[in-house]
Amino acid sequence: GENVEQHPSTLSVQEGDSAVIKCTYSDSASNYFPWYKQELGKRPQLIIDIRSNVGEKKDQRIAVTLNKTAKHFSLHITETQPEDSAVYFCAEGKGGAQKLVFGQGTRLTINP
Amino acid sequence: DTGVSQNPRHKITKRGQNVTFRCDPISEHNRLYWYRQTLGQGPEFLTYFQNEAQLEKSRLLSDRFSAERPKGSFSTLEIQRTEQGDSAMYLCASSYRGTYEKLFFGSGTQLSVL
Repeated sequence: GENVEQHPSTLSVQEGDSAVIKCTYSDSASNYFPWYKQELGKRPQLIIDIRSNVGEKKDQRIAVTLNKTAKHFSLHITETQPEDSAVYFCAEGKGGAQKLVFGQGTRLTINP
Repeated sequence: DTGVSQNPRHKITKRGQNVTFRCDPISEHNRLYWYRQTLGQGPEFLTYFQNEAQLEKSRLLSDRFSAERPKGSFSTLEIQRTEQGDSAMYLCASSYRGTYEKLFFGSGTQLSVL
């Protein structure tokens, strides 16, 4: 069945360092991989996404990489800032946004 | 704010009561989704609409749950005979069906069943 494993569940980094969160999926038909950031008490916000026809996508300090063969994708945040502190969720879908399956989340804390 | 709007933000009810939530999607979006999120977990898909048609329902959605989108704009989610296990954040999201479809969430309705 559909399943997304996300690691680590918590991550603490010093301000200015990089953070990496990894997700593994099981369905080879999955072709859409978004990442959402959720601050306490707020809505999940789409921060970056990638489709299976590309291996990497970058937006300023945020990048996502996809390895279709190994069925895993990762979120990379460089030069971390205190406002990056939040819970990050990966997700996978088929044929567009539709019925996304989410990972369990990673609580990222940036220490000043 | 032209994003996805949900009402109410919080709902406290007693076990056995019925509750109804409303979602107003981004105006040009033709797809609308309902997800449920419990503390410390990622959102779980419940159901979605394309225009007024309900195209898919998760097996998580028991017979006590019903969703409608009568005119293809706003949607309602009703839970009948609420149970304590229904306590969760109910998130609505919308998207525009297209080549580069992206899902945008509302702020959710936090349901507490006492």
